[in-house]
Amino acid sequence: EVQLVESGGGVVRPGGSLRLSCAASGFTFDDYGMSWVRQAPGKGLEWVSGINWNGGSTGYADSVKGRFTISRDNAKNSLYLQMNSLRAEDTALYHCARDPGIAVAGPKMFDYWGQGTLVTVSS
Amino acid sequence: QSALTQPASVSGSPGQSITISCTGTSSDVGSYNLVSWYQQHPGKAPKLMIYEGSKRPSGVSNRFSGSKSGNTASLTISGLQAEDEADYYCCSYAGSKVFGGGTKLTVL
Repeated sequence: EVQLVESGGGVVRPGGSLRLSCAASGFTFDDYGMSWVRQAPGKGLEWVSGINWNGGSTGYADSVKGRFTISRDNAKNSLYLQMNSLRAEDTALYHCARDPGIAVAGPKMFDYWGQGTLVTVSS
Repeated sequence: QSALTQPASVSGSPGQSITISCTGTSSDVGSYNLVSWYQQHPGKAPKLMIYEGSKRPSGVSNRFSGSKSGNTASLTISGLQAEDEADYYCCSYAGSKVFGGGTKLTVL
């Protein structure tokens, strides 16, 4: 059974930093691209960042470019999101999602999602 | 890239069919058949229902179907059931990945 479990969320002041983690199990982690998708309270979904199977290719939404860094450790079956210079508008539930479409021939979809970890940016 | 446009809410009675639209532009929805649809119950993670326009993942009921016309993709749910009540989001995987604002489906 595919499982994605996020952790690392919390309350942080504007300008602060936080590192999110996503522990993956139930599939061969280094066969897949991965993404982070966030959801502000009561709002819709927003793709944040994605990474290919070996970390050699990454992408970011314009809203977080230059502030967030995605990475992965295939030996630990883990995905990370380093968030710096946090703003109030970054407050959201952050989901990690399996993203096979990052591979050129992969189906274009987010096929499994974690429950998310809540990040609150507030003074 | 702007979010895709979805109706805020739709409703239907058990057994009926409903359709949720997702409107983009000729640069995203119109150019590629790469729209996916996600169902999200309150407090739960999103669940993939349709990908690449009309493909259904294993385990998803055949009551769910997807289609596209021009710059608008659609999700149709037939034989509406109480458990279908949820939020539904479309997503275009063309270039930058962009989601719609979500549609709340109410089963009357």
